[in-house]
Amino acid sequence: EAGVAQSPRYKIIEKRQSVAFWCNPISGHATLYWYQQILGQGPKLLIQFQNNGVVDDSQLPKDRFSAERLKGVDSTLKIQPAKLEDSAVYLCASSLGPGGDTQYFGPGTRLTVL
Amino acid sequence: GEDVEQSLFLSVREGDSSVINCTYTDSSSTYLYWYKQEPGAGLQLLTYIFSNMDMKQDQRLTVLLNKKDKHLSLRIADTQTGDSAIYFCAERPNQGGKLIFGQGTELSVKP
Repeated sequence: EAGVAQSPRYKIIEKRQSVAFWCNPISGHATLYWYQQILGQGPKLLIQFQNNGVVDDSQLPKDRFSAERLKGVDSTLKIQPAKLEDSAVYLCASSLGPGGDTQYFGPGTRLTVL
Repeated sequence: GEDVEQSLFLSVREGDSSVINCTYTDSSSTYLYWYKQEPGAGLQLLTYIFSNMDMKQDQRLTVLLNKKDKHLSLRIADTQTGDSAIYFCAERPNQGGKLIFGQGTELSVKP
C-alpha cells in the first residue's frame, strides 16, 4: 500500500513570495490533515478535512494561508505572501476517518523563507 | 488548555533500556500515541494506547499510562543505534481527530 505522498520535498523562497504544497493521501482515507512543524518543536495542526469539507481550521493563519481539497482526495496548501516565520516542515497526514483512526504521515515539505 | 511536555534529550548505551517520559493535560484524551522521526523523514507511528489501558507491550516497546497523573512513558528494551531519532508523544483530546504533540525527545544511542 502506497503511503502519503507530498511534493515538493524542499522549497526555498524569498519573503513575500507565494508557495504551494501538494499532498496525495493513502487511497480510501477520507480525513486529511496539514501540520506545521517548526524546527525543534512538535507538529501543530493547521487544517483538517473530512472528504472535501473543512472540519477544523482554527489554527490556520487565514490572512496568508489557504488550503483546499476539491475532489476529496488530493490537497493543496498555499502561503501567500510568505513570512520568515513560515520556515518549517509542512506535514500532510491521512486517516480512514476522524475518530480513533491512526494518522499516517507523509515525508513533509521543508520550506525555507529568506 | 492543551499541552504535552517531554524532556528534550536522552542518551543511552547500546543494549540498555531507554525510557522516554511525557505528561499531558487533557484528561478526556481517548488515545495517546508515540511517533518516531528520523532526520529528514516524516513521522512513523510506533504504538498507541487507549485511555482505559494502563500498559501495552509490542515487541521491544512497552507503553505505560498513569491516567491519574496524566503521565505516559515509552520503554525501549535492548536499545540499538538504529533507535536514535526524535520521539514524539501525542494526545488526541477528542473524537475530532486533531493530535497535540509534545516537543519531542531526542534519543542518542552510543555504541
